[in-house]
Amino acid sequence: GAGVSQSPSNKVTEKGKDVELRCDPISGHTALYWYRQSLGQGLEFLIYFQGNSAPDKSGLPSDRFSAERTGGSVSTLTIQRTQQEDSAVYLCASRQNRQGHNGYTFGSGTRLTVV
Amino acid sequence: AQSVTQLDSQVPVFEEAPVELRCNYSSSVSVYLFWYVQYPNQGLQLLLKYLSGSTLVKGINGFEAEFNKSQTSFHLRKPSVHISDTAEYFCAGAYNTDKLIFGTGTRLQVFP
Repeated sequence: GAGVSQSPSNKVTEKGKDVELRCDPISGHTALYWYRQSLGQGLEFLIYFQGNSAPDKSGLPSDRFSAERTGGSVSTLTIQRTQQEDSAVYLCASRQNRQGHNGYTFGSGTRLTVV
Repeated sequence: AQSVTQLDSQVPVFEEAPVELRCNYSSSVSVYLFWYVQYPNQGLQLLLKYLSGSTLVKGINGFEAEFNKSQTSFHLRKPSVHISDTAEYFCAGAYNTDKLIFGTGTRLQVFP
């Protein structure tokens, strides 16, 4: 597609439920990143994919968080047993390849609210 | 540890006035620096980047930034702001990894 697409744009869930957030990167972009943006916290790195593998998942805050990427394209971030502190905007970004640093293209994010 | 620091959480300014948003980065042999803008309910948009070469970088919407190695700074400037520049601005750095490290952001509020 023309840009990075994220869905849903907004998600309200009850504490303890599982949620899945989807990211559809720009076609042909091999690198994909998930960030979390909390109020006053800036952007926190979660995980990075190169193709279908995740060489850096150091930012996942707990084992309740997981992510996968299939076909070198769509990625899903799953949060199990959501907690109120998981409320944030989850941003996905993609880049054509890992060579050079031409910056990322970001999606509009998924605003997650845990009530 | 590598870090990017934005010293001002909020910057209020009147329309047509100049503005500077400050960013400092932790020193490294090799670093690439970026400024992103985020308008309400939107993703981040790249304003400009410094990879190498000229230390004065010009970006979109009339913004520019200067890479200063001795002061480890990469401040963003615009000589005359518009109401439409009201947004959140993020400075970010890429060191020897594939991930960007972001500052905490600066909210630019332009008043008429």
